[in-house]
Amino acid sequence: DGGITQSPKYLFRKEGQNVTLSCEQNLNHDAMYWYRQDPGQGLRLIYYSQIVNDFQKGDIAEGYSVSREKKESFPLTVTSAQKNPTAFYLCASSILAGYEQYFGPGTRLTVT
Amino acid sequence: DQQVKQNSPSLSVQEGRISILNCDYTNSMFDYFLWYKKYPAEGPTFLISISSIKDKNEDGRFTVFLNKSAKHLSLHIVPSQPGDSAVYFCAASLNSGGSNYKLTFGKGTLLTVNP
Repeated sequence: DGGITQSPKYLFRKEGQNVTLSCEQNLNHDAMYWYRQDPGQGLRLIYYSQIVNDFQKGDIAEGYSVSREKKESFPLTVTSAQKNPTAFYLCASSILAGYEQYFGPGTRLTVT
Repeated sequence: DQQVKQNSPSLSVQEGRISILNCDYTNSMFDYFLWYKKYPAEGPTFLISISSIKDKNEDGRFTVFLNKSAKHLSLHIVPSQPGDSAVYFCAASLNSGGSNYKLTFGKGTLLTVNP
């Protein structure tokens, strides 16, 4: 069963703590992406990776970091420098950059 | 500056009727357009796409129309079903020139189909 998994579904953290969101895909896709969705907003691109060991900043990368050591994994770390970390985070992948992106179920992060 | 705009935050239609969701864009370089459907607390699901070389693409109950001169696209759902109730996102990308990594999303339109 091919797809994208994100874990956990809900995540709670105290302010000042770093937290890492998991994203795994078994679709053999080269490109992976991280988006953030806030109420009443579209999806905003945080980071993307077109191939293993390479990634680029999206529109709102400040306060976030990523790694792409394996083709199937693209974890996102929300650091304490991110001023408004509470949001719904979505991971996506595509066979190549520019093709249709397929999304995971999302992780809702709440920081208090 | 929003490059992809969905000016209707919500739309309500009766079951069996046509739903028309609209999307406007400002960047004339966009050449590939997509529609996604999203239920609350879930990831978006890809619905249908259209390349700028076409003006219509159809897939079952879903049809997307593209008017390049007006920089406007629309998604038609016929007939509408209660299960179509969701937020619909329009997205656009540059699919040429090597800078095709990015989808630019609109803010979404909440469609409610009433039984």
